[in-house]
Amino acid sequence: ELKVEQNPLFLSMQEGKNYTIYCNYSTTSDRLYWYRQDPGKSLESLFVLLSNGAVKQEGRLMASLDTKARLSTLHITAAVHDLSATYFCAVDNRGSQGNLIFGKGTKLSVKP
Amino acid sequence: DTEVTQTPKHLVMGMTNKKSLKCEQHMGHRAMYWYKQKAKKPPELMFVYSYEKLSINESVPSRFSPECPNSSLLNLHLHALQPEDSALYLCATRSYNEQFFGPGTRLTVL
Repeated sequence: ELKVEQNPLFLSMQEGKNYTIYCNYSTTSDRLYWYRQDPGKSLESLFVLLSNGAVKQEGRLMASLDTKARLSTLHITAAVHDLSATYFCAVDNRGSQGNLIFGKGTKLSVKP
Repeated sequence: DTEVTQTPKHLVMGMTNKKSLKCEQHMGHRAMYWYKQKAKKPPELMFVYSYEKLSINESVPSRFSPECPNSSLLNLHLHALQPEDSALYLCATRSYNEQFFGPGTRLTVL
């Protein structure tokens, strides 16, 4: 059974600081996704990582994928309040019909 | 058009009501999904439709009844729900590499 673990689950940061969210998964997968969710809203796609060594950056967020270690990271640089949200990583459920298995999410709070 | 739409945005229903959630996409994707998300939890898969046929039912109670009338539409019929069914219901479609989520329907069962 595929399991996806995120840590930390809660993250309180000061503006301007850097931090990393980690996502480990239990079985082989070459696709990993990061989503952002604001309260009461749906999921917003941030990054789709499709191969080992993939690195993608958008603004203050950078995501990477190491398929050998079954690890993805979401790095936050110089955090700002607007980044406050819940961040989910998700992995393809191989052998299934393309649905995603999600981590529990990381609730990020950026304080001035 | 890279959008998945869902109606209604909000729904309040009693335990004896019958209602339906609707999802529509025009991206030509042949896989469509219903996920349920409880507060402070990740989304959980309910159903998968592939080429308009139900391919996965994740042991969802029969009070939830999915329907895929055509390749663009996905419905979720609700009947005799319980208060614990209150949640955000997300529809999604899939291209080869990416899953696209709709805005969701916030369901409250009284």
